[in-house]
This record gives sequence, structure tokens and C-alpha cells, in this order.
Amino acid sequence: EDQVTQSPEALRLQEGESSSLNCSYTVSGLRGLFWYRQDPGKGPEFLFTLYSAGEEKEKERLKATLTKKESFLHITAPKPEDSATYLCAVHSSGNTPLVFGKGTRLSVIA
Amino acid sequence: EPEVTQTPSHQVTQMGQEVILRCVPISNHLYFYWYRQILGQKVEFLVSFYNNEISEKSEIFDDQFSVERPDGSNFTLKIRSTKLEDSAMYFCASSETPDRPSRYFGPGTRLTVT
Repeated sequence: EDQVTQSPEALRLQEGESSSLNCSYTVSGLRGLFWYRQDPGKGPEFLFTLYSAGEEKEKERLKATLTKKESFLHITAPKPEDSATYLCAVHSSGNTPLVFGKGTRLSVIA
Repeated sequence: EPEVTQTPSHQVTQMGQEVILRCVPISNHLYFYWYRQILGQKVEFLVSFYNNEISEKSEIFDDQFSVERPDGSNFTLKIRSTKLEDSAMYFCASSETPDRPSRYFGPGTRLTVT
């Protein structure tokens, strides 16, 4: 059974204080690892898909990396508007749905 | 940027009542999904739908649930007899192919069962 574990559950940063969020996964065969941002009461907003170990993708202050067992979402010099819950999800075969982790709730304090 | 839309944004219903949640997927997408998220918990898969039939469903998707594509644009989730534990955010998602499961989620419908 595919499993996704995200840590920490919650993270509080000062504005400008860089950090990383972790997503550990166990799948039978990874087809893709997804990162989403979710604001309170809203739907998941797509950020990145990573397909193979060693792959990296960047968007503004966010950078996602992937190994064979985990993915990191690095946040560089965060701003208060980066405050949200960040969700990780895995896709393990053609017709299976995404399996989500519980998310990391990030708070960036000015 | 294409988007998935959902209506209503909030639905309050009494236990035992039927509800229908509506979604308009992205126009050229062929695969449709419903997920739900109970407050404070992870997003969970309910059902996927392709070519007018269910492709896959989770254990959550029991006989109380049904999905339908009544016309060329809408995709609906029906809960026949709601229970208190059905209270959650329900998200619709769509994709062009099953190899690229949804990058696009709708804003969600908050269902409150009293």
C-alpha cells in the first residue's frame, strides 16, 4: 500500500528564515510525486511534479527535490504570503489515484 | 489558466437527506475525480470516472455515493442519505490522461451535515 508521511506537521518561521519540508514515501513504483499548496478552505493548488530521483524544480522561493525515498520542499527567504499548508502526494501507476500526506502547516511571521 | 469549478461552495443538509455536488471539469479533460478532506485530515480519494463509467473507487465510496456526467460539461457526486461523518470538503479534479493525475483541483464544496 502506498504511503506518504510529511514532516514536520507544523512549522513556524520568521520572514527570511529558510527551511525545508520533508515528504517520505513508500510506493510500489513511483510514477510521479506532486507538491500542492492549500490555503484554508480552498482546494489544493498545484506547485510541482517530480518524476525521477535527482530531479529538481523551482518556482519563485520554492524548490522541490526528489530522491528514491523522499522529497524536500525548500523555502528560501519566505514571506508571510507563503503561509499555507503544503501537501505532498504520490502517483504509483497509470490508473491509481493520488495518495496524499497529511501536509505541513507553514506559518511565516513578519 | 484553465480551472475546475464547483457548486455550491457550501451546502448544509440534515442527516438522511440527499445532496448533489456539482463540478465543471476543464473542457478538454477526460478523466474526472472526487476527493474529500475531513477537517484536519488528509485529502482522500473517493472515485475516478472515465468514458461514462467508474474507473476506480475507494472503500469510502459505498452504495450511498454515486457519480454521473449528466451532460457534456458537468460531473456530479450524489450522496443518497447523508450521515454526520460525511461532513467534509469535497474536491473535484480532472486530467487529460490517467498518467497525469490531476494537477487541477476545484475550490471545493464544504458539506455540513447536521
